[in-house]
Amino acid sequence: DAGVIQSPRHEVTEMGQEVTLRCKPISGHDYLFWYRQTMMRGLELLIYFNNNVPIDDSGMPEDRFSAKMPNASFSTLKIQPSEPRDSAVYFCASSFRSGGWRDTQYFGPGTRLTVL
Amino acid sequence: GESVGLHLPTLSVQEGDNSIINCAYSNSASDYFIWYKQESGKGPQFIIDIRSNMDKRQGQRVTVLLNKTVKHLSLQIAATQPGDSAVYFCAENRGDNDMRFGAGTRLTVKP
Repeated sequence: DAGVIQSPRHEVTEMGQEVTLRCKPISGHDYLFWYRQTMMRGLELLIYFNNNVPIDDSGMPEDRFSAKMPNASFSTLKIQPSEPRDSAVYFCASSFRSGGWRDTQYFGPGTRLTVL
Repeated sequence: GESVGLHLPTLSVQEGDNSIINCAYSNSASDYFIWYKQESGKGPQFIIDIRSNMDKRQGQRVTVLLNKTVKHLSLQIAATQPGDSAVYFCAENRGDNDMRFGAGTRLTVKP
């Protein structure tokens, strides 16, 4: 398996522009997570899906952020309009709830977003 | 509030020595803990996990110890190698995918 795939790996945009980050989870995984990582705040969970349905979006900072999962193999995180404080590395992770106790999340390589 | 935290933000060790990275947690209801390794420019990578009904678990060169009495978690790396240089995160599962990550400890291995 190729692991969790994210695109783009780097994104530089100007304030006010729309940004769309993409994620392909590991095939067969039924949970998908979006995280944001900054030096100041570390890793923060933004939202997660179970079987394509958003379960908890309490970590989404504000209405400028939205996430979708139209099918089991694709998710997007959109920021509109973007602001300089959104600059961070955004990670997507997926996991499989096997019914046992191991819910290990497997992370993608991340998208480094810079908003000028 | 309850949180996952690390005692040491940085750790520098000599190649070949053993490393110990510590983590404190405050939620006694957490039942599952994971250590992740994050190398520069990459996402966190699973290293080892432990369930709350265990106090020790061993992997290849790594051992995780869990002390529920004092809510303490540690990661031991035997014979540390330059490739072990990275930031290490502990994470606690508070239930239903409520994973909380610590701030991370940067491990530097000196040749």
